[in-house]
Amino acid sequence: GAGVSQSPRYKVAKRGQDVALRCDPISGHVSLFWYQQALGQGPEFLTYFQNEAQLDKSGLPSDRFFAERPEGSVSTLKIQRTQQEDSAVYLCASSLQAGNSPLHFGNGTRLTVT
Amino acid sequence: DQQVKQNSPSLSVQEGRISILNCDYTNSMFDYFLWYKKYPAEGPTFLISISSIKDKNEDGRFTVFLNKSAKHLSLHIVPSQPGDSAVYFCAAPSTGTYIYIFGTGTRLKVLA
Repeated sequence: GAGVSQSPRYKVAKRGQDVALRCDPISGHVSLFWYQQALGQGPEFLTYFQNEAQLDKSGLPSDRFFAERPEGSVSTLKIQRTQQEDSAVYLCASSLQAGNSPLHFGNGTRLTVT
Repeated sequence: DQQVKQNSPSLSVQEGRISILNCDYTNSMFDYFLWYKKYPAEGPTFLISISSIKDKNEDGRFTVFLNKSAKHLSLHIVPSQPGDSAVYFCAAPSTGTYIYIFGTGTRLKVLA
């Protein structure tokens, strides 16, 4: 596909469950970002990869959040022992290069923790 | 503290008129700015960018103006169309990183 693909589009989890969110970036894009967007807010940075290297994870809210991109392409964001405050839209974005280059976003995964 | 601020949560404009969306930033080291448009249930879509070496960048109906001394940028849409109704975010990279900081967005409604 031409764009960033995220799955699932919607996820409902019971509190305490683990979830895994997948991101397929645009082919050839070196940089990959995960953002979290709460209702009425702008996207907030979670973590950044350049190829397979996770260069910044300063935005991950707790050690229950873990992201990987083992082969420098597909990335997975995992949330362990989900809490209600984890409910949000999780956006993945990729860009051709690091630096002054636009991010291209997927449509996000809406996570609802009940 | 927010480094990128959009102080107007919403804006309504008549079709055919100009829409002006504003963004303020606090860090004078920012040197590249982007605007995104977001429709419900979709991810943000890149609209237009500007480098700090310019004070204006134009792309069709969309023009972004940068006032470095005031740390202010604005997006002008003219003429506005009903399909422009969306939430608009401005963004800038955090100093010394490739991490983009987003504003809280402005919801634009273009009335037919």
